[in-house]
Order: sequence, then C-alpha cells, then structure tokens
Amino acid sequence: QLQLQESGPGLVKPSETLSLTCSVSGDSIRSNYFWGWIRQAPGKGLEWIGSIYYSGSKYYSPSLKSRVTVSVDTSKNQFSLRLSSVTAADTAIYYCARHVWGYSSPGFHFDSWGQGTLVTVSS
Amino acid sequence: DIQMTQSPSTLTASVGDRVTITCRASQSISGWLAWYQQKPGKAPKLLIYKASHLASGVPSRFSGSGSGTDFTLTISSLQPDDFATYYCQHYNNYVFTFGPGTKVDIK
Repeated sequence: QLQLQESGPGLVKPSETLSLTCSVSGDSIRSNYFWGWIRQAPGKGLEWIGSIYYSGSKYYSPSLKSRVTVSVDTSKNQFSLRLSSVTAADTAIYYCARHVWGYSSPGFHFDSWGQGTLVTVSS
Repeated sequence: DIQMTQSPSTLTASVGDRVTITCRASQSISGWLAWYQQKPGKAPKLLIYKASHLASGVPSRFSGSGSGTDFTLTISSLQPDDFATYYCQHYNNYVFTFGPGTKVDIK
C-alpha cells in the first residue's frame, strides 16, 4: 500500500529557506508517476507548488517558480522541496502527493497524498 | 491564466439529498479536471479524474460530468460521511490549478 510521509522543521524564520522531504513507501519513486508538492494556508484552499519525475524533469507553479526547488533521491525513495526567502504568507500545511501525469496515464491529478505537515514562518 | 471558480461556496443539505457542485473555468478547457474531497484535519482524497472517471474505491453515488467551461460533481444521495469540502483541479500547459472549494454542511 502506497504511503507518503512528509518530514522537516515545523518552524522557519522569515527570509530563510523551508526544506521538506517526502518519503515514499509501497511504490518505487522510479515508477511512471510524477511526485508533487501542494500546500494549504490555514483556512484556505489548495495550491500546487511543483512536481518532479525521477529522471529529473520538473515543473513549478509560475507564482512560486523563482523560489522553489524540487529534487529527487532515488536511492532513498524520497523527494524534497526547498522554498527560499519565506515570509508569513508561506505558513501552510505542506502535502506531498503522487502525481498522475500523462495523456495516456490517463490524466493529470494527484491520486495519493501524505498526511501533511504544518510549517509556520515566524521569528 | 485560466481561473477556476466553484459554486456554491457553501451548501447546506440533508442526508439523502442529491447534491450538485459546479466548477467553472474562465475559458474553455480540456477534460483534464479532477475532484477531491477534504475533511477537517485530513489530506484531500481523489474522487473523480478526467472529468467523469471514478477513482478507485470511491462510492458510486459520486459522479462527474461536464465539458467546455462547466463541470459538475454530483452526489446522488448524500451520506453522513460526505460532509466535507470539495475542490476541483484543472491541468493546462504544465500548470495545475485548484478551485476555491465548496463546503457541504449538514442541514
């Protein structure tokens, strides 16, 4: 059974870099899926951050592109998120998810999610 | 950029009611639309993909339809477990956009 688990600091100072890791079990990160990050500010809706394929192909939200890096570690079956120059507006629950991506897959959606981790940006 | 809206933003209904939620795009989009259910404190759960395809394990009372700019999620007979917030999500040109959500409350 596929499981995704986010990990990382729950508190980050303004202007610093937020770093999270998603550990995948029950599936190989080399399988035919992208792996994505989505966030949800307190009481707000969902926002896609970015997604990566194990080969390194990656795509980012245009609104966050200048500050986001997503990477993958196939040896550990993990993928990671780095968000630089954070402000209070980056306070959110961050989810990692398996990302179906392809016209023949079929579809472009997130079919399995981690439980999410709250990251607060505060001094 | 394509903007997604949902209506209503909040819906109050009773167990057994037929419920319809609409997701509207600012311009005509392909059928790459998904629906998710989210309960408080939990991660979203995929219900529908490619506008009308039921995700694995999702009860058949959920259905999706639509094309062009208007898409709908229908719950044929609302159950106690269905009170939650529902989000649509669209894909276009390497960008994924979620709608603002529709909260389904108990009457």
